Order: sequence, then structure tokens, then C-alpha cells
Amino acid sequence: DTEVTQTPKHLVMGMTNKKSLKCEQHMGHRAMYWYKQKAKKPPELMFVYSYEKLSINESVPSRFSPECPNSSLLNLHLHALQPEDSALYLCASRGQGAHGYTFGSGTRLTVV
Amino acid sequence: AQSVTQLDSQVPVFEEAPVELRCNYSSSVSVYLFWYVQYPNQGLQLLLKYLSGSTLVESINGFEAEFNKSQTSFHLRKPSVHISDTAEYFCAVEMNTGFQKLVFGTGTRLLVSP
Repeated sequence: DTEVTQTPKHLVMGMTNKKSLKCEQHMGHRAMYWYKQKAKKPPELMFVYSYEKLSINESVPSRFSPECPNSSLLNLHLHALQPEDSALYLCASRGQGAHGYTFGSGTRLTVV
Repeated sequence: AQSVTQLDSQVPVFEEAPVELRCNYSSSVSVYLFWYVQYPNQGLQLLLKYLSGSTLVESINGFEAEFNKSQTSFHLRKPSVHISDTAEYFCAVEMNTGFQKLVFGTGTRLLVSP
């Protein structure tokens, strides 16, 4: 298995809702990432987990809450989002040595 | 610090013509460089990467990139493009500040027309 799987592919949520994005990989990668990509912009790093510990938080608002329950799974919990948080959320994992990052196909989030 | 510059936001080209997408980086240490492609409404796909060794790297679909340390460049080239190559192309550099992370350039939209 050489893929990163993200669910759901699309999500529409209201500003008072609570939802979660899920990311899964079975490549044995110990570093996992959340990126946010607005339309016509490059991906911007949000969080980095290394060996299930949060290593980097790029000053992301607390309405985004990451979680890494185990080495294969990465979640992003969403609460009280704003319409400007609408974007494509990409998950990635990185293996040792090969310096290769594998990206999922993303979750397209719309906040109404 | 490391950063990536893609000067061309959009490159229009006719089918079967050659193309070059430019990428320059700034770094004071050894770098690992990547090109990713993003088709409409999809995630990122790794096109090719430079880690060390041969400065010319190739992908399976005809793209190639050359690492030029003196010019701090990693331009992407293809001798003959297809309509299906229409996509957004991102150059990226791996930063290592204790933890590795990818930093992307602003992207170049390749528009291939018949």
C-alpha cells in the first residue's frame, strides 16, 4: 500500500458544527502533515506530527485541533470554523531516507 | 533559511511544443528539491525529486529537471507536451529545522492548447 487516504473527499459544514477530517497511511511513515490550500495558491503547512507527537504548529487557530491516535492515522478536528477556512485540506506522510512525501487527494471543505 | 521562487505564474504552450518551468531556490545548506503536479480538483502527485547524485532527474512521463547549484535552479522541462499535461506545477524544497517539512513555490499553471 503506497497511498495516503483522506476522508471525506468533500465536506460542507456550518459555522457552529463540529466535524473531523481523517487521514490514513500504511506505509510505516512516522511523520505526517496537514496542509491547507486555498484556490490558486500553494499548500501551506499547518501541523507536523513525528512519531505520533505534535512537532510543528504553524500558528494555526485553535478552531483546528489535530490528533494522531496511532502511527497510521491522523485526524483534524474542526469546530466553529469561519467561511474563510473553506479550502482543500491535504494530508501527507514522509518516510525515512527516501525523502519522499506522499500526499492524499485532499478534503475539499466548504464552510457556510 | 530556504525558500523557492517560481517566477512564471502561467505558461501557455501549444501541443507538441517544448516547455520549461522555472524554479529557483535560496539556501545556504544542502537541499532536497521536488516537483509536484496538481490536476484540477485533485491532490499533489510527485513528479520527480533531487536528493543527491546525478543532477539530471527524470520522471516516467517525459519530464526532466536539472539541479544547477551555481545558478540555484531546478527548472522543469519537457521536449513535447500533451494536452493532458495541463495542470498546476509546484516546485518545493525540504526544510530541516529539527523536523523536516516541505515548502512550496507559488506554482506555475501550464496551459497546453491544440
